[in-house]
Amino acid sequence: AQTVTQSQPEMSVQEAETVTLSCTYDTSESDYYLFWYKQPPSRQMILVIRQEAYKQQNATENRFSVNFQKAAKSFSLKISDSQLGDAAMYFCAYRSRAVQGAQKLVFGQGTRLTINP
Amino acid sequence: GAVVSQHPSRVICKSGTSVKIECRSLDFQATTMFWYRQFPKKSLMLMATSNEGSKATYEQGVEKDKFLINHASLTLSTLTVTSAHPEDSSFYICSARDLSLLLAGGETQYFGPGTRLLVL
Repeated sequence: AQTVTQSQPEMSVQEAETVTLSCTYDTSESDYYLFWYKQPPSRQMILVIRQEAYKQQNATENRFSVNFQKAAKSFSLKISDSQLGDAAMYFCAYRSRAVQGAQKLVFGQGTRLTINP
Repeated sequence: GAVVSQHPSRVICKSGTSVKIECRSLDFQATTMFWYRQFPKKSLMLMATSNEGSKATYEQGVEKDKFLINHASLTLSTLTVTSAHPEDSSFYICSARDLSLLLAGGETQYFGPGTRLLVL
């Protein structure tokens, strides 16, 4: 079974600075998706960024980028120019892409990010 | 963007009663919907996968007779907590997979805003 581990329960960063959230996963599959979701105080889950495992290029979405290291099974999220609105719980998630594989998302434990003004 | 709604957003009920939570995809069709449970300051725990027109697939340890799931159409799935007890109090979240994106080779799940259940 796949597992996702976020080893940082809490992180904080000064506004306008850069912060990196860590995520590692374990799988025997070669084709899968990785995601970062944001859950603000409203508790609405918001997709931040997505990475297909077959793509070597790291995904980017404006101020958000990932460092995807497939061999190391590492998938970190970098937030540049942090803003107060970035404060939230961040979840790393894995999903198999195999047709016969489980289609469910496997979530990490989450990292609570605080932005200091 | 695609929108998933949940109703009600919060509900308080007495122990022993049943509560139904609806999950709707408003502007897309979803053959698959997922139901999660989230405890305070914890991660999302998948309860079951709901497939339109067929029986739901429950995760290990989730009582299917306790948490009844019905996915009667491509835009609606319901979760009924039967004979609710205080330990069922939690935040329940659904997500829906966009069929058109799936057929095009894409993959995106959209989450509902969640339902807070309090059983007294």
